[in-house]
Amino acid sequence: NAGVTQTPKFQVLKTGQSMTLQCAQDMNHNSMYWYRQDPGMGLRLIYYSASEGTTDKGEVPNGYNVSRLNKREFSLRLESAAPSQTSVYFCASSEVGRGNSNQPQHFGDGTRLSIL
Amino acid sequence: RKEVEQDPGPFNVPEGATVAFNCTYSNSASQSFFWYRQDCRKEPKLLMSVYSSGNEDGRFTAQLNRASQYISLLIRDSKLSDSATYLCVVRDFGNEKLTFGTGTRLTIIP
Repeated sequence: NAGVTQTPKFQVLKTGQSMTLQCAQDMNHNSMYWYRQDPGMGLRLIYYSASEGTTDKGEVPNGYNVSRLNKREFSLRLESAAPSQTSVYFCASSEVGRGNSNQPQHFGDGTRLSIL
Repeated sequence: RKEVEQDPGPFNVPEGATVAFNCTYSNSASQSFFWYRQDCRKEPKLLMSVYSSGNEDGRFTAQLNRASQYISLLIRDSKLSDSATYLCVVRDFGNEKLTFGTGTRLTIIP
């Protein structure tokens, strides 16, 4: 019953360092998403992938890159971390499309990232 | 105007009381609606989908008013375990993406 698995759960970086957040789902979902959540801002979409091999920008893509490695895995990369990227990052997956518009998203536990 | 708006609260409600939240959305083409629950420092979890005719799941009732573009969540006989932040979520027609409200914080008081 793993669902959506994110690693790492916590990370502290220095400004300018790079890192990749990993996400994997075992529900055979086509769509995967990366969000950040900041106090008072709610969840904001960074990037999403509607299917294997495709990625699209969300609301706040600047400073991030993503890779949809295969159907299961969707990674988020910070090439040069900045203090403004301190946040909680959530990965999610969903079976959307093919008429399944009412399908919800399932979230991972989150990654708490601090940039010093 | 935000795409999805919620009263942030907090709502402090005695145990056993009934509490209701509303959420408004700006896009009349929105197609799918959900309520998620998020506990402190945890991930959002689906509470219930919201259907056009309204739907009930135990103590929880969700309703949709397309004409006025709002959805509501009613919690009856509230429990201490209902304390959480409740997120209103909307998907637009033909869109892969969800739009989240900032959430309404609920605390149930013993």
